[in-house]
Amino acid sequence: GAGVSQSPSNKVTEKGKDVELRCDPISGHTALYWYRQSLGQGLEFLIYFQGNSAPDKSGLPSDRFSAERTGGSVSTLTIQRTQQEDSAVYLCASSSNSGGSTDTQYFGPGTRLTVL
Amino acid sequence: GNSVTQMEGPVTLSEEAFLTINCTYTATGYPSLFWYVQYPGEGLQLLLKATKADDKGSNKGFEATYRKETTSFHLEKGSVQVSDSAVYFCALTEGDMGRRALTFGSGTRLQVQP
Repeated sequence: GAGVSQSPSNKVTEKGKDVELRCDPISGHTALYWYRQSLGQGLEFLIYFQGNSAPDKSGLPSDRFSAERTGGSVSTLTIQRTQQEDSAVYLCASSSNSGGSTDTQYFGPGTRLTVL
Repeated sequence: GNSVTQMEGPVTLSEEAFLTINCTYTATGYPSLFWYVQYPGEGLQLLLKATKADDKGSNKGFEATYRKETTSFHLEKGSVQVSDSAVYFCALTEGDMGRRALTFGSGTRLQVQP
């Protein structure tokens, strides 16, 4: 079946602009995660959604970052007033119904964000 | 807080050599442990995992054993191939009552030469 998909694959923006990144998880997966991968910081957790529960936002680096998940499926990560340090690859992952800690997280191909 | 420490790369080996990539961790509670791999131009994918002490995860000839006494989860393969060239990430989650998100190590790049 289809894996996790993300769009766009690449995004170049100017400093100060807002960007939206989209993630389509694997059908039926109720857990969804956002991470980012950058040269300086490695792979970092950003936010986690599980079903209808309140999201775990503990990894968001600033209040410029927000995410929502509509209808328990598609998620959008929004970065407002982008800064050059936001340049990174943003990865989305989803896991099965239980969302347990041992569940395999399946990753999308990522969105490469470049802030000029 | 949680953390994962991996050996620095790159690791350069000849084909058919033995591979070890060291990984140690610090975690709250009883973590689950994972190795993820990122092949050139591809996304992250799970290589293997172990969820309790002394469990051995294995896949594609790779193995790692969950060692609670040494807080380690070293990755091994007896005979590497050129196709194993990739970046390998050790990671953990906190366990079913804890944080579900993955905490990753910094990654180790493996280069296998023919």
